[in-house]
Amino acid sequence: DAGITQSPRYKITETGRQVTLMCHQTWSHSYMFWYRQDLGHGLRLIYYSAAADITDKGEVPDGYVVSRSKTENFPLTLESATRSQTSVYFCASTGTRQETQYFGPGTRLLVL
Amino acid sequence: AQSVAQPEDQVNVAEGNPLTVKCTYSVSGNPYLFWYVQYPNRGLQFLLKYITGDNLVKGSYGFEAEFNKSQTSFHLKKPSALVSDSALYFCAVRDPLYDYKLSFGAGTTVTVRA
Repeated sequence: DAGITQSPRYKITETGRQVTLMCHQTWSHSYMFWYRQDLGHGLRLIYYSAAADITDKGEVPDGYVVSRSKTENFPLTLESATRSQTSVYFCASTGTRQETQYFGPGTRLLVL
Repeated sequence: AQSVAQPEDQVNVAEGNPLTVKCTYSVSGNPYLFWYVQYPNRGLQFLLKYITGDNLVKGSYGFEAEFNKSQTSFHLKKPSALVSDSALYFCAVRDPLYDYKLSFGAGTTVTVRA
């Protein structure tokens, strides 16, 4: 099906482990985004990408790494997971001539 | 810098009554404004947006929002709320002078009682 998908949907890991969250979109959208959702904070931007091989930091980038070798994929890596990174992570995308960001279903991450 | 405020954490209304969810924003240029809705354990669904033109914007599921530049507000409204409208609502703003980043409010939980 077309759209934006995220995997895994749920993940439990331990402090210090590396975790990669995947995001894939089938619209060939230029822009992709990673957000985290925490109670009382709404959604906060972690990283975004304007095109393949172009990425930039958002509001809360510390402890995260992204890459974008292909337009359709935008993985987010937690290099050494911490408890403060327990959150729900959303990926989104938008096209160059569109204004609306479309969101994936989210990944619920628990760091023990 | 751009920012959004949703002054109410929760809004409770009876089914059939009007529903209003408040949003105010701050941007340096002319804003692009959005409303999203999130149902439990789901992603965000786009409801409506204001880019330019008519200040009253109509969106999905009978929702509408009014852009008020002088009050820097973009309140979401529905004339007659349904129990199924119970969800978490987010307002977001983008300053088109910059890139495609959105800034979100903290969210407002709407509960519609039967």
